[in-house]
Parts: sequence; structure tokens; C-alpha cells
Amino acid sequence: NAGVTQTPKFRILKIGQSMTLQCTQDMNHNYMYWYRQDPGMGLKLIYYSVGAGITDKGEVPNGYNVSRSTTEDFPLRLELAAPSQTSVYFCASSYSNSPAYEQYFGPGTRLTVT
Amino acid sequence: KQEVTQIPAALSVPEGENLVLNCSFTDSAIYNLQWFRQDPGKGLTSLLLIQSSQREQTSGRLNASLDKSSGRSTLYIAASQPGDSATYLCAVRSGGGSEKLVFGKGTKLTVNP
Repeated sequence: NAGVTQTPKFRILKIGQSMTLQCTQDMNHNYMYWYRQDPGMGLKLIYYSVGAGITDKGEVPNGYNVSRSTTEDFPLRLELAAPSQTSVYFCASSYSNSPAYEQYFGPGTRLTVT
Repeated sequence: KQEVTQIPAALSVPEGENLVLNCSFTDSAIYNLQWFRQDPGKGLTSLLLIQSSQREQTSGRLNASLDKSSGRSTLYIAASQPGDSATYLCAVRSGGGSEKLVFGKGTKLTVNP
């Protein structure tokens, strides 16, 4: 049981390039989330999904896109990367039938846009 | 809009000391509150989760309390060890069916041998 896995761990992008951050969970959780964490700051929600085929915007969605075609996967797409997207990105998942909705986090992807 | 504040931003203590980390939130209509630990360059590890109907939760040397009416939670760490050095994050899930967590900026704890 690997939990929440993210790839890649590190990535450097040039301004204007695009990339997809991968996230997979093997806990059969229906809820999945993408957060970003800037230095010295808490996490901010980018997008979330309550099930396959359903996504919704969080607090900071601009410049990102997501899709959820399966329960396990929730990729985050960056189009036209900008220096403001330099951050650490965390994927998380939770189970709605659990009373606590406790969120489990992946190890993160450290992205630098130059 | 829910806002979460953690004080202090950084704390340095000698090994063996008992300590308290503070978390406050502006909207008391919460579903639950979760305390996380984050080691440098790592992801988040859930430490304790307190439901809105609970007053406290304990795990080993950790005890988290919740006072919804005053919008406060504390994380008490007993007999601190150098291995406790990390950043501790507080996050609130609002009520009303919201799936979202709102995070504080964290408290960076250093326990000196």
C-alpha cells in the first residue's frame, strides 16, 4: 500500500513551457486535492475532485488545469509556466465515508520556473 | 472567509521541555481540525484530528485540544526530543459539507540537545 505517490520529485521549467504533475493513490479514496506551498506559507488549495469525472476550483486555480478520469489518478496540468508558479506542489486524498475526512498527503513535487 | 493563524512562527526549546503550539481560526463553524508535521523537503504527516464535537485527542506525547467557541486549538508536546524538530501545521475543515482544508502558515520547532 503505497498511499499517495507523486512524480516527478523535482522539475525545472522555462517560462512558457508546459508540464503535467502526476498523482496516484491506491487507497480507493474518492476525494483528491492539489495544493501549493510557497516558502514560509501554509498550503493553498488549487483544485479538488470529489470523484471520477468531477473537479472544482480551489483558492488559487489560475494557470492550472486538472482532470479525473479514474479514481486513482488526479494529474495537474500547468500551461504556459510563469515564475509565480515556482512552488512545492502537494497532492492529497481522503475518503468521504470516513467520518473524519482525514487527508493523506504525497511527498510533493518541487517546481522551479525560470 | 476562514483564516487560520499559528503563533509563534518559530520556537526553539531545550530537549526535555514541555511546549505548546497555538492555532486560531476566525470562523467557529468547523467540521474538524487537523494537526500535521512537515519535515524539511518532505510531505505532510497527519498527527491528530479533532472532530468538532470533541475537546481533545491524544497520541503518545502529543495532546491536541479544541475550543470551538473561542476559535482556538493547542498542540501540547510533552518531554520534547530533538526528533520532534519540524514544522507543525494546523488545518481547519469548515462545516456545511465543505471538502476544503484551510491551513495556517505553521510553527517551526527546533528542539536542541
